[in-house]
Amino acid sequence: QKEVEQNSGPLSVPEGAIASLNCTYSDRGSQSFFWYRQYSGKSPELIMSIYSNGDKEDGRFTAQLNKASQYVSLLIRDSQPSDSATYLCAVRANFGNEKLTFGTGTRLTIIP
Amino acid sequence: DGGITQSPKYLFRKEGQNVTLSCEQNLNHDAMYWYRQDPGQGLRLIYYSQIVNDFQKGDIAEGYSVSREKKESFPLTVTSAQKNPTAFYLCASSAGQGNTIYFGEGSWLTVV
Repeated sequence: QKEVEQNSGPLSVPEGAIASLNCTYSDRGSQSFFWYRQYSGKSPELIMSIYSNGDKEDGRFTAQLNKASQYVSLLIRDSQPSDSATYLCAVRANFGNEKLTFGTGTRLTIIP
Repeated sequence: DGGITQSPKYLFRKEGQNVTLSCEQNLNHDAMYWYRQDPGQGLRLIYYSQIVNDFQKGDIAEGYSVSREKKESFPLTVTSAQKNPTAFYLCASSAGQGNTIYFGEGSWLTVV
């Protein structure tokens, strides 16, 4: 079982709709969770971080964490063509161990 | 400007040669990382360092070496033992204690 799993996509969403990206992880002791966006040929940039169960909202982005189900998701509301990118889920095991493990990413395409 | 600087951005290596990728940060971050990304793939951890003069192997350390003699510097050497080194290499850093990881712009290595 991979440590961090994501559907590779591609995921196609009409402009203005909600894009839903999912990620599961295997280490139940994981404490920190991150979503990065990566445009082709560029380095990843942080979208959201989440540490506690529940929802965290930042503008059009909402991260959702459910530690009991070992599941973290990212919702993008009012999707724009500029949101077309690969979204990477990253998980840090626990405080004191700084190792950060990434999923393989989900490629998202927003259709105008 | 504060940030993470990787150099060179593009590097060509002949088979059998060792090459060193530079990574410097002026963010006063304790933790530094090297990831490798192959086309269409996620990020795989090569090495990481939580403090000066200490580093740990990641998931794909074979054929690579690092040093952490200074807090701001974490160079990666791709040795001739690495049989398939062509990839996009990303350096990152973090303040530690579960904080967010930030990435440099990356270095493209091609074997010719």
